[in-house]
Formats: sequence, structure tokens, C-alpha cells
Amino acid sequence: QSVLTQPPSVSGAPGQRVTISCTGSSSNIGAGHDVHWYQQLPGAAPKLLIFGNSNRPSGVPDRFSGSKSGTSASLAITGLQAEDEADYYCQSYDSSLSASKVFGTGTKVTVL
Amino acid sequence: QLRLQESGPGLVKPSETLSLTCTVSGGSIFSSNYYWGWIRQPPGKGLEYIGNIYYRGSTSYNPSLKSRVTISVDTSKDRFSLRLSSVTAADTAVYYCAREKPRYCSTTNCYNYYFDSWGQGALVSVSS
Repeated sequence: QSVLTQPPSVSGAPGQRVTISCTGSSSNIGAGHDVHWYQQLPGAAPKLLIFGNSNRPSGVPDRFSGSKSGTSASLAITGLQAEDEADYYCQSYDSSLSASKVFGTGTKVTVL
Repeated sequence: QLRLQESGPGLVKPSETLSLTCTVSGGSIFSSNYYWGWIRQPPGKGLEYIGNIYYRGSTSYNPSLKSRVTISVDTSKDRFSLRLSSVTAADTAVYYCAREKPRYCSTTNCYNYYFDSWGQGALVSVSS
């Protein structure tokens, strides 16, 4: 059972803006640990999308942006495109008794 | 460009040990501050962190799997391996290897690791 909670699904029409939340607690996101985001296209391995809360690796379109506040983080996709249909996962570190890197529950983005 | 490739049996019997190897190419496993990790994903489910290893051999494991997991490194062949003992059907998953990169490092430690490069994944089924 993940300690980072995401909505199971979000959807939007092409060109719209969608956001995905990642809710944690005082032992992970709220403790100051960075949040990173991954995109997993159907049948493929996850790919790094955002690192360090809001930084895009080279090659990731600026349609993708990340933010963090308190015990939560968000991924925004603006100008939604058909190719953005995928699963998205947040990731952080949990410094509780079960100290380890942790992933969010995952969110399926559907382009209508 | 860094490339990681998982290899190993695709079918393991219950109670036996799952073994996978990740071969690194286009870069060296002898990279300061980088760790080399394993993540798994049961069919239709989310990602679960298994653990990692540094090229010098130090390891860190997910507490939920720690009693059954061993990660080792072979620096002469630029590869690292995963062993998961006493497997059950619940261990059926796609297993990914990945490089862990720190967000930043001080003079004494590195922090906020993320997975910047992934292998394509290897499906391992546990069945008799």
C-alpha cells in the first residue's frame, strides 16, 4: 500500500489542461523530500518526466510542469495531446520507520 | 547514451528464488554518487521499489521485501543482480532496473534520488 496517493484517473480534451495530485504526509513530501514524476506509455517502461519537484529533463516538452506545496505535489499538463495518454507516477522518499523510496498509486490520463 | 538491459528466467516456481541481472552499457557502473536500483510492477498495478546498490557494494532494501532480497554488483562486467527468495504468485511482475541519480550532493552526502534511466523491463511469472 503506497504512502503517496494519486487520483486513479483524469481526463481531458485535446488542448485542455489537466492536473494530477500526489498527496503524502509529514514523513515524505511534508518532510521536505523532493517529488519526481514519471510517465509510462502503454507497454513501455516508465520515463522520467519531472525531477526535483519542478525540473524537466532535456527533451521533455514544457507542456509538463510540476509543483510542490506542504504535503502534496502536482503535475500539470497543458495543451493536452493524444500522445500524453499514459500512466503517471509520483515518487519521493519516506523517512518513517519503513524508510525507503516510495511511488504514488498512479494516475491514468485519458485524452477524450 | 546509457542503456540498461534486464535478463533472466521468465518463469520461476513457487518457493524458489528469482534471479535477474541488469547489464549497463553506454556508461560505467563505477559512477560516483549514482546508485543502481530495482523496481517491480505487478500486472495492471503500480510501481514498487525493491532496493539498490552502490558500485562499492553497499545496499539498501525496501523494508517490506528486505528479508527476501539480495542485490549484488559485478563491477568487472558492469552489471548488477537481484535475487528474491521464497517467491509466491504475488511476486509475479515486470521487474525494472534503473539508475538512481541524486538531486544534489553536499560534501558528505547526496539527497533526493530519482530514477533517470530505466531498462525495458523483464516479466517474471511465478507458477508451478
